[in-house]
Amino acid sequence: QVHLVQSGAEVKNPGASVKVSCKASGYTFSNYGISWVRQAPGQGLEWMGWISPHNGNTNYAQNLQDRVTLTTDTPTNTAYMEVEGLRSGDTAVYYCAREGGDSTGWSFDYWGQGTLVTVSS
Amino acid sequence: QSVLTQPPSVSGAPGQRVTISCTGSSSNIGAGYGVHWYQQFPGTAPKLLIYLNSNRPSGVPDRFSGSKSGTSASLAITGLQAEDEADYYCQSYDSNIRGVFGGGTKLTVL
Repeated sequence: QVHLVQSGAEVKNPGASVKVSCKASGYTFSNYGISWVRQAPGQGLEWMGWISPHNGNTNYAQNLQDRVTLTTDTPTNTAYMEVEGLRSGDTAVYYCAREGGDSTGWSFDYWGQGTLVTVSS
Repeated sequence: QSVLTQPPSVSGAPGQRVTISCTGSSSNIGAGYGVHWYQQFPGTAPKLLIYLNSNRPSGVPDRFSGSKSGTSASLAITGLQAEDEADYYCQSYDSNIRGVFGGGTKLTVL
């Protein structure tokens, strides 16, 4: 069965960077894209960006493209999301989600458990 | 301000039918992109509920159904149960943006 397991909670100072990992299992990692979605406390879902583990192609949300970097390590089936220049507004739960492919309309069919990133001095 | 517009809240009594709307534009839903729906309980990750407008993943009860017309989509829940109380999000694509979400709708079962 498909599983996406994310790294643990982080507390960071403003201006710092954070890197969250998402380890996939139960499927061929390179065959499916990974999107990252975040959710600020009490707020809705915000799509951040997408990466293809197959060729490394990326697509970022316009408001985050200057501060977010998505990467993958195919030998370990792991995706990474790094945010630089953290500010209080980046405090959120960060999710990785598998894009299910053409047959599912590229919906997000499996999700990681989420990683809480708290930005506070 | 979300790209897709949902009502902040809806409610219904057990056994009733409720619908949640998702309104987009000609650059997303109206451009022919599929609409997907997710269910989220407090403190947990979202779960795919409906994909490509009206398809249910394995294990999702047929009480949940989706539809799409023009620049809008809807999620319907029939035979409402207490366990359906959750937040619901629609999602689609917009131009070069791979993922856009609605603001979410909180369903309360009275």
